[in-house]
Amino acid sequence: DIQLTQSPSFLSASLRDRVTLTCRASQDIRTSLAWYQQKPGKAPDLLMYAASTLQSGVPSRFSGSGSGTEFTLTISSLQPEDSATYYCQQLVSYPLTFGGGTKVEIK
Amino acid sequence: EEQLVESGGGLVQPGGSLRLSCTGSGFNLRDHYMDWVRQAPGKGLEWVGRIRDKGNAYTTEYAASVRGRFTISRDDSKNSLFLQMDSLKTEDTAVYYCARVYSSAWTRSFFDLWGPGTLVPVSS
Repeated sequence: DIQLTQSPSFLSASLRDRVTLTCRASQDIRTSLAWYQQKPGKAPDLLMYAASTLQSGVPSRFSGSGSGTEFTLTISSLQPEDSATYYCQQLVSYPLTFGGGTKVEIK
Repeated sequence: EEQLVESGGGLVQPGGSLRLSCTGSGFNLRDHYMDWVRQAPGKGLEWVGRIRDKGNAYTTEYAASVRGRFTISRDDSKNSLFLQMDSLKTEDTAVYYCARVYSSAWTRSFFDLWGPGTLVPVSS
């Protein structure tokens, strides 16, 4: 199974800060990675796919990069509505796996 | 508006069975692979399984933790997806989400539409 390790597991930052979340894969997954945002009590929402392609309707302050085994999700200017848990997911092989998540808190 | 809505959750005893349903609206479920994902209380997301479309003979894939106990099926005429859960264990306690797969191509097989989820507590 492909393991995805997200870091940090918790992040506290101020409004308008630039924050970077990392997802590391246990083997090469090329760019077959998606990012989701989940708010408490809600289903996840797709943010990004193919590592760096923004889903329609997602604010442009979100960006993604990486390939192979290391990926990042960056929020260029943190907004109150960005308080959530972020998960990465690999799309290369079964079983599909998610990272453990990064919880982002606004200070 | 495209929507997925799960139903059928509720308290079940260990060793028991439960059948979840997921009904789509605003789109044709037949055009998509469909997945189930679960989330134990306070925990992360865990993929449960997938059912492919008619063109791929409705074949299925499962996580090792549920293989042999859970069965995914679909009724495209009713725009519906199902998860039959047998021999339930306390560790199956979770919110269960159905999710639409954007495309059958691996690089595009992300989940672009999710239901709100249904809670399944497994406890005596």
